Amino acid sequence: RKEVEQDPGPFNVPEGATVAFNCTYSNSASQSFFWYRQDCRKEPKLLMSVYSSGNEDGRFTAQLNRASQYISLLIRDSKLSDSATYLCVVNPGGYQKVTFGTGTKLQVIP
Amino acid sequence: DADVTQTPRNRITKTGKRIMLECSQTKGHDRMYWYRQDPGLGLRLIYYSFDVKDINKGEISDGYSVSRQAQAKFSLSLESAIPNQTALYFCATSDSRTGSIGTQPQHFGDGTRLSIL
Repeated sequence: RKEVEQDPGPFNVPEGATVAFNCTYSNSASQSFFWYRQDCRKEPKLLMSVYSSGNEDGRFTAQLNRASQYISLLIRDSKLSDSATYLCVVNPGGYQKVTFGTGTKLQVIP
Repeated sequence: DADVTQTPRNRITKTGKRIMLECSQTKGHDRMYWYRQDPGLGLRLIYYSFDVKDINKGEISDGYSVSRQAQAKFSLSLESAIPNQTALYFCATSDSRTGSIGTQPQHFGDGTRLSIL
C-alpha cells in the first residue's frame, strides 16, 4: 500500500456542483494532515489544515477519519477558479518526513 | 509567496554542467526541503534539513547535493547535470517549533524550471 493515495482524476464538474475528494494514508501514527492546491506549473499552496473534529473554510470542508485512515475535502458551489490539482499531505510529525499525495485534478466547467 | 525565494526561476543548461539552485527564506523557519516535480509523478523529496547542522537524504538524492549555509539559506547542486534531471524544482520551509514538533505545514517557493539539454 502506498503511504498516501489519491484518485488522480480528472474530476470534471459543472459550476455550482459539489465535489469531494478522498485521500487514504497508511501510517496510523500520522499526526497532522493538510490539503494543498496547485495550479498548473505553480507552487503548491496550503489550502487548509485537517483537524480531527473537521474544519470548514467558506465553501471548503475538510474531514479526518482516523479509524479508516483517510482525509476528505469537500468543495461546495464550485467556481471556475477552483480548477486546480489538490494535494493531500500526511505528516507523521517529529523527525519523520512529510508525504505528499500525487494529487487529484479538478476541472470546473462553465 | 515571497517569503521563500528561489533563484533562478528558469534555467536552461547543457549536460555535464554544474548547476546550483538557491533558496532563501525570511519566515524564520528551521526546516527546509528540496523537491522535484515531474508530470504525473507528484512531488519527490530530494534532501531536507531540520536545522543548520542537519542534512538528510530524501527519496531521490542521487546526483544531487545540498548545503545549508545558514538557517535562511538552503542550496541544491547538480554536480554534473543530465537530461533526466529536467524538472520543476521547489524549495519549501516549515517551522518545527510551533505546536507539536514537526507537525506544521510546509510553505513553498515559486519554483525553478530547469531544462538540461
